[in-house]
Amino acid sequence: DSGVTQTPKHLITATGQRVTLRCSPRSGDLSVYWYQQSLDQGLQFLIHYYNGEERAKGNILERFSAQQFPDLHSELNLSSLELGDSALYFCASSYRMRTDTQYFGPGTRLTVL
Amino acid sequence: QQQVKQSPQSLIVQKGGISIINCAYENTAFDYFPWYQQFPGKGPALLIAIRPDVSEKKEGRFTISFNKSAKQFSLHIMDSQPGDSATYFCAAAYSGAGSYQLTFGKGTKLSVIP
Repeated sequence: DSGVTQTPKHLITATGQRVTLRCSPRSGDLSVYWYQQSLDQGLQFLIHYYNGEERAKGNILERFSAQQFPDLHSELNLSSLELGDSALYFCASSYRMRTDTQYFGPGTRLTVL
Repeated sequence: QQQVKQSPQSLIVQKGGISIINCAYENTAFDYFPWYQQFPGKGPALLIAIRPDVSEKKEGRFTISFNKSAKQFSLHIMDSQPGDSATYFCAAAYSGAGSYQLTFGKGTKLSVIP
């Protein structure tokens, strides 16, 4: 158990809908990273937050957004969902902004029908 | 553009054998190279990592070999066990960007047969 929690574990929704994925980092960790894992694209970095501030953006669609709250949990919002958004979404946490070791949560499996 | 290329895609090894997975990178700014292990239904877990100032790092049965001039690094699993059957991802990151975002290879599915 990495100490990172993600909810929900599974999410099934329809095209055009909006969903929110939640991540609670390990106790004391200030950085939260979001990654998407799909069969065709593999594991891809989406966005990084450090202590409430956005630090880096990767291949994140404009329909997706994220935030990190004062209690350091983070939410990834996916809107206008398309079939191709079906994937596993992982968050990972680390202590400092540039600390190397990232601890991954168990993921949220999103299925868009 | 795939910045980290991983091979092979799948690997079958007999119990007790050596598993070897290779990765190559393009961005010379990368300065951190971890390997992650992922079991079905679980998130990736850090296995071992190396920085470019050393050519080899060993932790138990797992060894990373790093060749800076060739921009390649590899994972060796000695005395492979059925419990090692998982998907392995190499990754790379650089610290100069204010973020340690990981760029992953496509993964290698390892099966260790008894």
